[in-house]
Amino acid sequence: EIVMTQSPATLSVYPGERATLSCRASQSIGRSLAWYQQKPGQAPRLLIYGASTRATGIPARFSGSGSGTEFTLTISSLQSEDFANYYCQQYNNWPPLIFGGGTKVEIK
Amino acid sequence: EVQLLESGGGLAHPGGSLRLSCAASEFIFSRYIMTWVRQAPGKGLEWVSSISGTGLSRYYVDSVKGRFTISRDNSKSTLFLQMNSLRADDTAVYYCAKLGSRPSEGWFDSWGQGTQVTVSS
Repeated sequence: EIVMTQSPATLSVYPGERATLSCRASQSIGRSLAWYQQKPGQAPRLLIYGASTRATGIPARFSGSGSGTEFTLTISSLQSEDFANYYCQQYNNWPPLIFGGGTKVEIK
Repeated sequence: EVQLLESGGGLAHPGGSLRLSCAASEFIFSRYIMTWVRQAPGKGLEWVSSISGTGLSRYYVDSVKGRFTISRDNSKSTLFLQMNSLRADDTAVYYCAKLGSRPSEGWFDSWGQGTQVTVSS
């Protein structure tokens, strides 16, 4: 079974700064990776699929990259509404569908 | 805009049962793979079960196999999760989520607001 590992667990960033989140797969998943944002008490929201395609309505400051086993979500200039938890998810070979453990982006 | 509205959560005793429902609207329900995802308190997201558009293919995480049953009623655009033999570690918010129309489209583009399931004596 594929294991998805996200790092760091917590990322402290000043508003306006760049945030870089990592997601590693235990085996190659091609570009079959999605990213989600979740705020406390809310459902997750799709940000990125296909490793780099922004979902409908997602601002351009969110970008995804990578393939194979290494993936990155970059938020170019953090806004107040971007402080949240972020999850990656693989869908290359399922079931099961596997999420990473998450990265919390907090205000520094 | 896609709407997914879960219901049926609540408090159950260990060994008990609950049936979750998810009413879908604003898309052609029968064309899409539907899924339940859960989140235990303070924890991350966990895929629980998925069902194909026709209902003929069903998939489960190992921890719920033999205890949970996913089903759908395409005539009513509704997804279900029958949960039997509940355990304390099933306590979580359960989300209904929409996948793509094909397994290769395995990302969740729409989510419900979630329903709380608590298993406790």
